[in-house]
Amino acid sequence: DTEVTQTPKHLVMGMTNKKSLKCEQHMGHRAMYWYKQKAKKPPELMFVYSYEKLSINESVPSRFSPECPNSSLLNLHLHALQPEDSALYLCASSSGLINEKLFFGSGTQLSVL
Amino acid sequence: AQKITQTQPGMFVQEKEAVTLDCTYDTSDQSYGLFWYKQPSSGEMIFLIYQGSYDEQNATEGRYSLNFQKARKSANLVISASQLGDSAMYFCAMRGQAGTALIFGKGTTLSVSS
Repeated sequence: DTEVTQTPKHLVMGMTNKKSLKCEQHMGHRAMYWYKQKAKKPPELMFVYSYEKLSINESVPSRFSPECPNSSLLNLHLHALQPEDSALYLCASSSGLINEKLFFGSGTQLSVL
Repeated sequence: AQKITQTQPGMFVQEKEAVTLDCTYDTSDQSYGLFWYKQPSSGEMIFLIYQGSYDEQNATEGRYSLNFQKARKSANLVISASQLGDSAMYFCAMRGQAGTALIFGKGTTLSVSS
């Protein structure tokens, strides 16, 4: 199984809502990532988990809260988001080795009203 | 700090023609990896090709080849015999010595016409 599965595919939420994005991989990868991508822009790194521990937080606002319950799962908890947070959120995983590609999920398209 | 530069916002090519997408990079790491990804309008990121900094041969994957010029710090993607399905955004990306996340260039939109 060489897939990264993200749910939901689409999410519409109000600024006072709390929601979660989910990501799952069964490739035994030790590193998992959250990227944010605005339309026609490159993906921007948000968080990196290595061996289930948060290793990189790219100064992301606290209204985004990542969680890695186990080596296969990665969540992104959302609370009190702003309309400018509307974007495609991509999850990825890799072995962590320099020559190994990242496997990306198909993303969650988030709209904040 | 690492940086990836893609200077072509858009490229237009006809079917069956070859096209080169430019990518330059900057890093102080001795060991690094360079990647190209394709992103169609559907949004998924599709891995195309990889080149390691110590690889002496240019990487090739089917119709894709990477023209790696280390001294010039360039890693251009060459697509031979373009197809309509090649129309997409193409991102050059780098992974440094720490081997953690990919850093992406701004991307090039490729449009292939019949």
